[in-house]
Amino acid sequence: AAGVIQSPRHLIKEKRETATLKCYPIPRHDTVYWYQQGPGQDPQFLISFYEKMQSDKGSIPDRFSAQQFSDYHSELNMSSLELGDSALYFCASGMSGSRWEQYFGPGTRLTVT
Amino acid sequence: GNSVTQMEGPVTLSEEAFLTINCTYTATGYPSLFWYVQYPGEGLQLLLKATKADDKGSNKGFEATYRKETTSFHLEKGSVQVSDSAVYFCALSDPQEGNEKLTFGTGTRLTIIP
Repeated sequence: AAGVIQSPRHLIKEKRETATLKCYPIPRHDTVYWYQQGPGQDPQFLISFYEKMQSDKGSIPDRFSAQQFSDYHSELNMSSLELGDSALYFCASGMSGSRWEQYFGPGTRLTVT
Repeated sequence: GNSVTQMEGPVTLSEEAFLTINCTYTATGYPSLFWYVQYPGEGLQLLLKATKADDKGSNKGFEATYRKETTSFHLEKGSVQVSDSAVYFCALSDPQEGNEKLTFGTGTRLTIIP
């Protein structure tokens, strides 16, 4: 079965650079969630989209932005990167009517040096 | 706000031992409860779920029962295997908050020794 695809899997950036993470949800899923997991931490909710509209916002820094496109894929844009942004970034997708069930991608490991 | 409190790890057990990982929650409404498992270097996989009181979620020999009276969702397995070594996260989503974002516990690292 198709799963959530995230790219890239690994990304190394320097401080103050920008990064773009991509997420391709499971086909027919209309909801995308982004989470950030710091080293040894639990995942923290960043932002979500339903039918291309932002549906909820969590602890996402103002330096980050995200959107969902017409094909339902989503991108997380991160600017002015800081060392503390180094983390595993997960995307999860779900389907309206069963939106409590989220399927996670393998994550993008971002390292800021 | 919502929160999940999970048994701290790490937990080390011998193969075929009985496993319990405690999880309690605080929620404003009637949340759905989940256990996710994260194997080394991988993403989060949904292990089991329960959406209302007294529901029992089960998968791969793991079980957890939604106990509203004690606000708990403890994970159990009768006989663990080396392949069960992973980090386990208890989580909830609260539809009354108008969204389905997941709130996670801090995770419990489980190591099974042959």
